Amino acid sequence: DVVMTQSPLSLSVTLGQSASISCRSSQSLLASDGNTYLYWFQQRPGQSPRRLLYKVSNRESGVPDRFSGSGSGTDFTLKIIRVEAADVGVYYCMQGTHWPPYTFGQGTKLEIK
Amino acid sequence: EVQLVESGGGLVQPGGSLRLSCAASGFTLSDYWMAWVRQAPGKGLEWVAHIQRDGSDKNYMDSVKGRFTISRDNARNSLFLQMNNLRAEDTAIYYCARDDWLDVWGQGTSVTVSS
Repeated sequence: DVVMTQSPLSLSVTLGQSASISCRSSQSLLASDGNTYLYWFQQRPGQSPRRLLYKVSNRESGVPDRFSGSGSGTDFTLKIIRVEAADVGVYYCMQGTHWPPYTFGQGTKLEIK
Repeated sequence: EVQLVESGGGLVQPGGSLRLSCAASGFTLSDYWMAWVRQAPGKGLEWVAHIQRDGSDKNYMDSVKGRFTISRDNARNSLFLQMNNLRAEDTAIYYCARDDWLDVWGQGTSVTVSS
């Protein structure tokens, strides 16, 4: 199975500042069809997960452009600029290139300083 | 509105069984693969199983193979997870998700395996 490793596992950010989360995979996520099946999810406290970004950098409808994704191969980053209180929660990366199974990172907990 | 609503969770003794259901609305179920994902208390997300659009292909995580069965009834807009021989480590919130790479999630149903 592909192992997904996130860092840091927790992050404390001042309102209005930026946050960056790294996600590394144990194998390249570039698929034979040319797509990279790397996804980011947000789980706010007490809520179900919600997909934020798909295929590395594409934002879901309704996701603010303060969220952006980048990366290729085995190294990926979620960046949040101008952090707001509503961004508090746990962020997960997930790979869907080498399935089954889909595999998630351990999660990164974002809190406000 | 696209919606997934899980039900069927509860408290069960080790070795027992439960059947989870997921009611889908707002989209045509037969157009999508569907999945179950779980989250143990205070832990991260773990993909459990998924099923092809017509039910002809299914995949499971290793620790549930032979104990869990995923199924669907497209005519009833429903997804199921039959869980047998439950273990303490199966205790989790179980989420139903539309498997267009998990783009839509339900609210989850809680399963507790304890004596």
